[in-house]
Amino acid sequence: QKEVEQNSGPLSVPEGAIASLNCTYSDRGSQSFFWYRQYSGKSPELIMSIYSNGDKEDGRFTAQLNKASQYVSLLIRDSQPSDSATYLCAVKKGSNYQLIWGAGTKLIIKP
Amino acid sequence: EAGVTQFPSHSVIEKGQTVTLRCDPISGHDNLYWYRRVMGKEIKFLLHFVKESKQDESGMPNNRFLAERTGGTYSTLKVQPAELEDSGVYFCASSRVPDLSSFFGQGTRLTVV
Repeated sequence: QKEVEQNSGPLSVPEGAIASLNCTYSDRGSQSFFWYRQYSGKSPELIMSIYSNGDKEDGRFTAQLNKASQYVSLLIRDSQPSDSATYLCAVKKGSNYQLIWGAGTKLIIKP
Repeated sequence: EAGVTQFPSHSVIEKGQTVTLRCDPISGHDNLYWYRRVMGKEIKFLLHFVKESKQDESGMPNNRFLAERTGGTYSTLKVQPAELEDSGVYFCASSRVPDLSSFFGQGTRLTVV
């Protein structure tokens, strides 16, 4: 079992709709959770970080964390073609500070 | 404020040669991390510096890899001798506080032939 699991996709969403990306993790000691966006051939770019249960909103992005169920999700409202990218979920454990990565979900926003 | 900078952006070397990658973190960021993404795999942690000290090097694959951060500023990652399986993209990231978000450089794409 991978430590951080994501559906590889591709996830196809019409422009203007809500894109929902999910991530599960195995270590209950995980304390910090991050969503990165990566365009092809580019470096990961931080989108959202979340540290406590519940929702965190930033513009069109909402991160949701449920530690009891060990999942973290990212919602993108009013999806735009420029949102098409691979979205990477990353988790930091409490015992060290290394990021544990999922394989990423490829998101395609169709005009 | 300048971001994390990595040199070179691409490197193609022959098996058995030596390559040195460099990372300049964001100014004031004591925490510096190296990661690697091999084709088709997840990004994997290599090591974590706090200033000039190696905080965690549990992800270093073997003793052909040597990372340094003299003076607690920029860092180098040397691969000697390089093997074919070392090919991939090497990312450097930095953060002000280890618990907080890490900002990534553009990566060095290493190809060993």
